[in-house]
Amino acid sequence: DIVMTQTPLSSPVTLGQPASISCASSQSLAHSDGNTYLSWLQQRPGQPPRFLIYKVSNRFSGVPDRFSGSGAGTDFTLKISRVEAEDVGVYYCMQVTQFPFTFGGGTKVEIK
Amino acid sequence: QVQLQESGPGLVKPSGTLSLTCAVSGGSVTSNNWWSWVRQFPGKGLEWIGEIGHWGSTNYNPSLESRVTMSVDKSKNQFSLRVTSVTAADTAVYYCASDSLSCGGNCLNLSWGRGTLVTVSS
Repeated sequence: DIVMTQTPLSSPVTLGQPASISCASSQSLAHSDGNTYLSWLQQRPGQPPRFLIYKVSNRFSGVPDRFSGSGAGTDFTLKISRVEAEDVGVYYCMQVTQFPFTFGGGTKVEIK
Repeated sequence: QVQLQESGPGLVKPSGTLSLTCAVSGGSVTSNNWWSWVRQFPGKGLEWIGEIGHWGSTNYNPSLESRVTMSVDKSKNQFSLRVTSVTAADTAVYYCASDSLSCGGNCLNLSWGRGTLVTVSS
């Protein structure tokens, strides 16, 4: 299985300030079809997860543009350019390049 | 978007069988290619359990494959999860979802159930 490792575990951020979450995979997520299947999900308290970004950097319609994803191979980053109160929650990276699909351990974003 | 609702016993005895159903409304269980199950442990970690196509094809997490069965009931417009020989380590919130998690750009339309807590305890 591909192991996904996220850092930090927790990210206390001042409103309006940036936040950055790293995700490392135990092997390259580059698929033979040329795509890299790394997604980011957000889970607000009491809610199921929801997708923010797919294939490293593609933001879904309706996801604010303060969220951006980058990376390649085994190292990926989710950035929030200016954290807002509604961004509080846990963020997970997930790989769907290879079965079984696997998640990172999660990073809790909270307001200082 | 379809709506999903998980149902099933909230408490299962060790060595017993966990059985959950995900009812589909606002659409047909035959309208989507794949349906998924994910669980979230008390410490908040997520685990992909597997997925089933409406025609019956499955992909299971190898860590659970010997104990897991998924099925689709077209007559009831629902799909189901069965996990046998459960232990306390199977205690989690179980979510169903309306597509494969590899839905890519189509994940915009993916729906999740609200999740149901299953506790394994005597």
